[in-house]
Amino acid sequence: AQSVSQHNHHVILSEAASLELGCNYSYGGTVNLFWYVQYPGQHLQLLLKYFSGDPLVKGIKGFEAEFIKSKFSFNLRKPSVQWSDTAEYFCAVTGGYQKVTFGIGTKLQVIP
Amino acid sequence: DAGVIQSPRHEVTEMGQEVTLRCKPISGHDYLFWYRQTMMRGLELLIYFNNNVPIDDSGMPEDRFSAKMPNASFSTLKIQPSEPRDSAVYFCASSFRGQAFFGQGTRLTVV
Repeated sequence: AQSVSQHNHHVILSEAASLELGCNYSYGGTVNLFWYVQYPGQHLQLLLKYFSGDPLVKGIKGFEAEFIKSKFSFNLRKPSVQWSDTAEYFCAVTGGYQKVTFGIGTKLQVIP
Repeated sequence: DAGVIQSPRHEVTEMGQEVTLRCKPISGHDYLFWYRQTMMRGLELLIYFNNNVPIDDSGMPEDRFSAKMPNASFSTLKIQPSEPRDSAVYFCASSFRGQAFFGQGTRLTVV
């Protein structure tokens, strides 16, 4: 069975600080990896995705993520966060049967 | 495409009443998922379908919950009878090649 774990449940940063959110997955086969963002009061939206190719993936709003196969990780990074990045971030994986499995989510609070 | 469409956006009902949530997935997507989101439990997968067939309903909390997908363009999640602890935001999502697209959600309040 596939699973996703996100290490940080609640992160508080000041504006301009760097961000790294951890995500590890468990699945024995080929996976597709995603990060979704949920702004307050809204639905989940895709931030970035990895299917194959370059393991460093760039997404919207300056976010990027690196797929490290040997570590089963797909950490999300942003060099300098803004107040508008305050949201909840979900890592997700799909493997066999295309079932989408989400992590528990990380709430990011950016303080101006 | 208009994206995943859910209705209603908000529902307030009295305990014991039947509630039906509706979802229209994106055309061509072969997977459909129902999620529930609360502050306490976060995002929970309730059930998902592949080509209109329920694949895994192990996340459905109780027999009071049921879901159907009579065709590729429509799904319902029914709660009967509803209870206050069912209050949550219910999201429907459809996916293609593993990428999920979410609807705006239905905020359910059971009083």
